[in-house]
Amino acid sequence: GNSVTQMEGPVTLSEEAFLTINCTYTATGYPSLFWYVQYPGEGLQLLLKATKADDKGSNKGFEATYRKETTSFHLEKGSVQVSDSAVYFCALANAGGTSYGKLTFGQGTILTVHP
Amino acid sequence: NAGVTQTPKFRVLKTGQSMTLLCAQDMNHEYMYWYRQDPGMGLRLIHYSVGEGTTAKGEVPDGYNVSRLKKQNFLLGLESAAPSQTSVYFCASTNSETQYFGPGTRLLVL
Repeated sequence: GNSVTQMEGPVTLSEEAFLTINCTYTATGYPSLFWYVQYPGEGLQLLLKATKADDKGSNKGFEATYRKETTSFHLEKGSVQVSDSAVYFCALANAGGTSYGKLTFGQGTILTVHP
Repeated sequence: NAGVTQTPKFRVLKTGQSMTLLCAQDMNHEYMYWYRQDPGMGLRLIHYSVGEGTTAKGEVPDGYNVSRLKKQNFLLGLESAAPSQTSVYFCASTNSETQYFGPGTRLLVL
């Protein structure tokens, strides 16, 4: 079955530092890949997505590239802010390019950014 | 346009009690989902629905039941709560590639 593995957290950075959160997946076919973010006390929000190999998703300075050869979708940001402190979830959806089907989530990575 | 709403926000139950969590969406979405979030385990799918009157089991359905009598509502029921059901419950809905999540219900079972 499908599975998603994220790097262990928590991650603590200083403001303006470079961020990488690793995500690898196991799936049959060609899943769509997502990064969701959960701010304290809130539900999850879509941060970015990619639906096919070599696609790059980007939003709010965050980027992730769909690497089929390494089955990875690592999240990066060049300069983090205190407001980026949140829990980040990598997820995949069944083949077909939609999340009509079930989302499979990684365990989440807690990011804390200090001033 | 409220998006996805969940009630209640927080609840404490005693073992063996029953309760129903309500999820409502005003986006006319066909697909709705119930997840539970536990530390270090991400979100796990409990049940889902692909349309009014239909439901299906997810990854961790035991101890829960659901109903989708109206398109906009998706109810999650616990018939006899157990401490293992202490968790944060999230509802989501979609008609496209993006799932929209509610703010969550925090449930404590003593």
